[in-house]
Amino acid sequence: GQQVMQIPQYQHVQEGEDFTTYCNSSTTLSNIQWYKQRPGGHPVFLIQLVKSGEVKKQKRLTFQFGEAKKNSSLHITATQTTDVGTYFCADIGGSQGNLIFGKGTKLSVKP
Amino acid sequence: KAGVTQTPRYLIKTRGQQVTLSCSPISGHRSVSWYQQTPGQGLQFLFEYFSETQRNKGNFPGRFSGRQFSNSRSEMNVSTLELGDSALYLCASSTLAGGPEQFFGPGTRLTVL
Repeated sequence: GQQVMQIPQYQHVQEGEDFTTYCNSSTTLSNIQWYKQRPGGHPVFLIQLVKSGEVKKQKRLTFQFGEAKKNSSLHITATQTTDVGTYFCADIGGSQGNLIFGKGTKLSVKP
Repeated sequence: KAGVTQTPRYLIKTRGQQVTLSCSPISGHRSVSWYQQTPGQGLQFLFEYFSETQRNKGNFPGRFSGRQFSNSRSEMNVSTLELGDSALYLCASSTLAGGPEQFFGPGTRLTVL
């Protein structure tokens, strides 16, 4: 079945450094969604990308969808301690339209 | 608007027992999806209900079942619990079947001893 792979699994950064997580698939992705889960919390929707090559920004967060719609990335500029959490990408995959999540990238930020 | 609520928040059961988890979606949302989250497997889709009908199902054994009521509230049942069923069970609601944006509840932490 379709798999969505996310790298890296963990990322430790110093506050103020940039951070990027990548989401890859061997098959064409339908729509990519990004979620953030704070420690002890639940996933919270961040954004959805639909179009090939799409780039969207939310303050310090930049989301990209690859031209071939097989990869996506989330980049955080100048991380802050409030960015701590696990970032998941998810694709509305398969014929049934359910979300397929990547394993997530756990970000820790050292003040 | 109130968010997605799940009850109970924590549950401890022993092997062989069964459990029922409840989820109340955001008012007006007709789609409810259930996910199992474990450190090893991550977030895995269990099933989705829309207007009281199971719309799709993930790759879980038949011990996992669910239903949705006319008020969109949903329940998930796991029978004959196994140690490996210990997980955080999350439900998510959305306005339309399949999304686009899923609003997650706080989850039910199930521990099977």
